[in-house]
Amino acid sequence: EVQLVESGGGLVQPGGSLRLSCAASGFTFINYNMIWVRQAPGKGLEWVSYISTTSRTIYYADSVKGRFTVSRDNAENSLFLQMNSLRAEDTAVYYCARSRGIVTTGADSWGQGTLVTVSS
Amino acid sequence: QSVLTQPPSVSGAPGQRVTISCTGSSSNLGAGYDVYWYQQLPGTAPKLLIYLNNNRPSGVPDRFSASKSGTSASLAITGLQAEDEADYYCQSYDISLSASVFGGGTKLTVL
Repeated sequence: EVQLVESGGGLVQPGGSLRLSCAASGFTFINYNMIWVRQAPGKGLEWVSYISTTSRTIYYADSVKGRFTVSRDNAENSLFLQMNSLRAEDTAVYYCARSRGIVTTGADSWGQGTLVTVSS
Repeated sequence: QSVLTQPPSVSGAPGQRVTISCTGSSSNLGAGYDVYWYQQLPGTAPKLLIYLNNNRPSGVPDRFSASKSGTSASLAITGLQAEDEADYYCQSYDISLSASVFGGGTKLTVL
């Protein structure tokens, strides 16, 4: 069974940093591209970032470009999202998800999400 | 506003059929990019409902179907059940933004 478990969320002050992790199991992690999607409280889904299997291809939403960095450790079956210069509008539940293919495709498995709250 | 436009809400009685539209543009659906649909039950993570425009993953009831034509796509749910009450999102890729994009979501209420 595919499992994705996010961690690392919490309360952080504006301008602060946070590193999210996503532990993958139940599938061959190295064979799959991965994405991060977020959902602000009471709002819709927003695609955040994409990383290919080898980390060679990476994309970001304009709203996080230059502030967020996605990475992965295939040896540890883990996905990461380093978030710097956090703003109130970054408050959201962050989901990691397994991509069905390249960046133009959707995601077929999702974690339960981790809540990030940016507030003073 | 979202790049992909969905109605904020739809409703139907048990047993009825409802459709949810997803309207894009020439830089996403109209450019030939595929559409994906997700169901998000209250308090849970999204779940893939439809992939590659009109394909159901195993385990998704055949009451759910979808289609895509030009710059629009739609999700149809027949034989509505109380358990279908959820938020539904469409997703595709936008070449102008060089990013994956979601619709704003549609809340389905089963009356």
